[in-house]
Amino acid sequence: GAVVSQHPSWVICKSGTSVKIECRSLDFQATTMFWYRQFPKQSLMLMATSNEGSKATYEQGVEKDKFLINHASLTLSTLTVTSAHPEDSSFYICSASQGLAKDTQYFGPGTRLTVL
Amino acid sequence: QKEVEQDPGPLSVPEGAIVSLNCTYSNSAFQYFMWYRQYSRKGPELLMYTYSSGNKEDGRFTAQVDKSSKYISLFIRDSQPSDSATYLCATDTGFQKLVFGTGTRLLVSP
Repeated sequence: GAVVSQHPSWVICKSGTSVKIECRSLDFQATTMFWYRQFPKQSLMLMATSNEGSKATYEQGVEKDKFLINHASLTLSTLTVTSAHPEDSSFYICSASQGLAKDTQYFGPGTRLTVL
Repeated sequence: QKEVEQDPGPLSVPEGAIVSLNCTYSNSAFQYFMWYRQYSRKGPELLMYTYSSGNKEDGRFTAQVDKSSKYISLFIRDSQPSDSATYLCATDTGFQKLVFGTGTRLLVSP
């Protein structure tokens, strides 16, 4: 089956530093990748959509200068949280889409970010 | 009003029980509805999706959509302890952009 990985699985950083999270589709090429954020006991919230070689499209209320997304290849997207603050602490999950069908979007295992 | 609303639970049932999980949604234009299962600190896993109204069955799982009342249901028959997880309903708002409910935590006791 289609597998999506994320690295790191968890990260702790100091306030003001930047953190990069990688999302890889291991056995398929992803036309589109999505980044979600999930706070405790809350739903996953879509942050942005990225297509390989294009600028990411951010959802309303998501700061594009704070959450930098790079989708350099069909198997790799990165999310960089710049100048992280404690309120950015959350569970970040990516998904990768293999096509347009509704059952072709696969989620990664998530990255837990804690900002001290 | 949230686009998708879901009771967070937890819902506790004994092994073998029939489980009913439900969501409501606000936008009548939504056509595709999904159910995901998420284990603690893991990404969601798609269980099944339905289009428009009707039922869809897959093994012990049945998804049901009632567009007239904007109601989505997932039924689990013969529930097992391994079914203990958080179940998320979601809808596709277009171009695979998903809006999720908060998730219902299910606990199936042996």
